Amino acid sequence: GENVEQHPSTLSVQEGDSAVIKCTYSDSASNYFPWYKQELGKGPQLIIDIRSNVGEKKDQRIAVTLNKTAKHFSLHITETQPEDSAVYFCAAPPRTGTYKYIFGTGTRLKVLA
Amino acid sequence: SQTIHQWPATLVQPVGSPLSLECTVEGTSNPNLYWYRQAAGRGLQLLFYSVGIGQISSEVPQNLSASRPQDRQFILSSKKLLLSDSGFYLCAWSTPPGWNSPLHFGNGTRLTVT
Repeated sequence: GENVEQHPSTLSVQEGDSAVIKCTYSDSASNYFPWYKQELGKGPQLIIDIRSNVGEKKDQRIAVTLNKTAKHFSLHITETQPEDSAVYFCAAPPRTGTYKYIFGTGTRLKVLA
Repeated sequence: SQTIHQWPATLVQPVGSPLSLECTVEGTSNPNLYWYRQAAGRGLQLLFYSVGIGQISSEVPQNLSASRPQDRQFILSSKKLLLSDSGFYLCAWSTPPGWNSPLHFGNGTRLTVT
């Protein structure tokens, strides 16, 4: 079945620096990849997603890149701010006909002021 | 726009007591609905999903059950709570068919079984 590996598990950066989180997936048929941000005590919130017909998508300071050949996708956060501190999850979609999203194990990002 | 509501936000229950957590979605029809559990510092475990009224699929055997009495209402229940049922419970919805659309999560219920 599908498997998603996420690295690193923790990441500390200085305010203003960039942060990169990477996920690899196993199912070559996967074609939709969301990223979630979970703040303490809250549910995960979708922050950006990408479909397999594009290689990169940007939304202000966050971007996601996708390499279908290598089967990995990455979240890039530029000019990090303290409010970016949270746990970030990547996910691969359910296979057609199924309903189980496969989530990465999460990355705890700390932005140091 | 679509919104998802979960309640209560926190709950402390003794072992052996019943449980009922409720989730409702507004602004969409016939959503796929999901219950997830998240242990402290851990990932997301799918417990149940539903693609329609009265249709419940369980992902893991456990002490919990789910019901969908109305199109946009999803309930997580237990007759007798165990200590191991403690955790952060998240309701989520997606647009059918679901396999190429995002999950949208509620803000969760923190359950502590004492």
